[in-house]
Amino acid sequence: SQQGEEDPQALSIQEGENATMNCSYKTSINNLQWYRQNSGRGLVHLILIRSNEREKHSGRLRVTLDTSKKSSSLLITASRAADTASYFCATVTNQAGTALIFGKGTTLSVSS
Amino acid sequence: EAGVAQSPRYKIIEKRQSVAFWCNPISGHATLYWYQQILGQGPKLLIQFQNNGVVDDSQLPKDRFSAERLKGVDSTLKIQPAKLEDSAVYLCASSPGSEGEQYFGPGTRLTVT
Repeated sequence: SQQGEEDPQALSIQEGENATMNCSYKTSINNLQWYRQNSGRGLVHLILIRSNEREKHSGRLRVTLDTSKKSSSLLITASRAADTASYFCATVTNQAGTALIFGKGTTLSVSS
Repeated sequence: EAGVAQSPRYKIIEKRQSVAFWCNPISGHATLYWYQQILGQGPKLLIQFQNNGVVDDSQLPKDRFSAERLKGVDSTLKIQPAKLEDSAVYLCASSPGSEGEQYFGPGTRLTVT
C-alpha cells in the first residue's frame, strides 16, 4: 500500500513562477524524501528531511515537514522548463527498514 | 562514479512467457532494491537485499516472481509466467546501506501482450 499522497496530482505553471507540492502520509516516519522522475527515466533524489527537522533547503528547493500533521511540502522557486517532471514523496518508516514507500506523484508542467 | 545499470531497457513478451531483468548496483552499495512502477503510480517495493541476503520480500508475488543477488553484487529479477498486469517499469536501486537516499537505474519497461 502507498504511504504518501501528493497534492495536487497535476500542476501547470509558467517559467519563473513558484511551484508548491504537498505530501501527506499515514504512519510515523524516520525520514521523508523527494524524488524527481523525468518522462521515461529513472528517479533522481532531490532532498531528504529527517523526522526531527522542520525545514531544509537545497538550491531552489525548500522542503518543510510537519510530523504533527503528517505532511510535507516541496517548493520549487523560479521554475524552469527543465523542472517539468513528476515529483514523488517517499517515506522511510521504522517498519519498512530502509525501503521507500512512495506516493502517486505530482506531475509538474512548466511552460516557457 | 558509474550509476546503477539495468538491462534490458525494454522488453515485450506474451503472457505466460518468462522474462529476466538484470541490475548492477553502484560499486560498494550493500543494499539493493527492486521496485515495480505501474503507469501513473509511484514505485512499489518488490524486494530488498542487504548484501546477498533478503531483508524484505513481503510484496513479491512469490508464485511467479523470484530474485537473487549472487555474491552480494548484481541481481536478477525473474517473472515466470508473466501476466498482463505485470506490464510496468521495473526499477532497480541501490544505497550504501544507511537510511538515506537511493540511487535508481533507468528501469526496464516490460509490456506483456
